[in-house]
Amino acid sequence: EAGVAQSPRYKIIEKRQSVAFWCNPISGHATLYWYQQILGQGPKLLIQFQNNGVVDDSQLPKDRFSAERLKGVDSTLKIQPAKLEDSAVYLCASSFRGGVTYNEQFFGPGTRLTVL
Amino acid sequence: AQTVTQSQPEMSVQEAETVTLSCTYDTSESDYYLFWYKQPPSRQMILVIRQEAYKQQNATENRFSVNFQKAAKSFSLKISDSQLGDAAMYFCAYRRTTSGTYKYIFGTGTRLKVLA
Repeated sequence: EAGVAQSPRYKIIEKRQSVAFWCNPISGHATLYWYQQILGQGPKLLIQFQNNGVVDDSQLPKDRFSAERLKGVDSTLKIQPAKLEDSAVYLCASSFRGGVTYNEQFFGPGTRLTVL
Repeated sequence: AQTVTQSQPEMSVQEAETVTLSCTYDTSESDYYLFWYKQPPSRQMILVIRQEAYKQQNATENRFSVNFQKAAKSFSLKISDSQLGDAAMYFCAYRRTTSGTYKYIFGTGTRLKVLA
């Protein structure tokens, strides 16, 4: 079974530039998560999708971050414009469902973003 | 709001010895899940062990076991017979089970070094 795929693995940009990250979850997984992991910290949920609908985006800086999950499969996270403090690893994860019944969350390898 | 605290930024253990990683959390919920995740260097995060709060019995997975103290809101991970491959960042995480977004909340992590 293929795991969660993410690209690119690394990205270096100048501040105020735009960047986009792509995630393809495990086939059949309805729930998709985007996390931001700043060096020395644990992952912080940015946005959670259930199929193509947003379940939680309370910690997403909506003035510069956006995400979409068209057709309820793969997803794109965009930052526009980037700030120095956006330097982090962006993790994508998926689970079969995200409801009351527990379903294991599987993580992708992450995209390491450096903003100069 | 729920919080997860890992007070040990770094721990070391001799190969074949036992080590315990600490985690405390704060919640007003009575039912929830607690997790330990492992994040090896430059590799993706994987689930180590899961505990359901309504279960009094501590979870065990091979060399990994937890000490769950619900009243004290403590959730420690014991690794027995430590191996070089256990070297990684370990994150404690919490997830509610009642209706809502089922957001995962992570601690700041403990870096485990295994000495040969």
